[in-house]
Amino acid sequence: SAVISQKPSRDICQRGTSLTIQCQVDSQVTMMFWYRQQPGQSLTLIATANQGSEATYESGFVIDKFPISRPNLTFSTLTVSNMSPEDSSIYLCSVVTGFDNEQFFGPGTRLTVL
Amino acid sequence: DAKTTQPTSMDCAEGRAANLPCNHSTISGNEYVYWYRQIHSQGPQYIIHGLKNNETNEMASLIITEDRKSSTLILPHATLRDTAVYYCIVRPTRDDKIIFGKGTRLHILP
Repeated sequence: SAVISQKPSRDICQRGTSLTIQCQVDSQVTMMFWYRQQPGQSLTLIATANQGSEATYESGFVIDKFPISRPNLTFSTLTVSNMSPEDSSIYLCSVVTGFDNEQFFGPGTRLTVL
Repeated sequence: DAKTTQPTSMDCAEGRAANLPCNHSTISGNEYVYWYRQIHSQGPQYIIHGLKNNETNEMASLIITEDRKSSTLILPHATLRDTAVYYCIVRPTRDDKIIFGKGTRLHILP
């Protein structure tokens, strides 16, 4: 399995500001993803973080709003830009390991936008 | 879009077997059935997966029908700690991204 940590674990932000969430994995992984979980809802995939190239975004998500970086095989960041209260969610990092191709999830970052 | 259908919620008495059904009638021959659960305020946790055969591990058993159009996750002796949302997922390949449906909210009753 992979141990995933996210920073910050939670934050309260003002409307119009941006927040960068970090995801660190304890081993090299083949794939990294970012999900959003709005209050009372299931998880929605935002994008696949590609090492050394632009992320692949799912329908309804754009790079200007959710820029993603993945400089190496163990680290990625997700920025939530120009935040509004509708961005209040839990943001989760997820990885697929090369060993058994299983997908693991981080603990999430709980974001509240006022 | 999610390819699975699950009941919105279920109750189960503590100590009894919890049987969670899932319909995936449009599943393709090479697609796996995965189960994850999400305990409140935590990230999803992998439980079990299968392709055609029934599977068992230390957490649960997975029963897949012969036509693969449905499956059942079995928690043999449910405890209060098993209260969670359980997601049944059809995954195209073992290295593909996971798309979540709405899941089943399982309540274990004391």
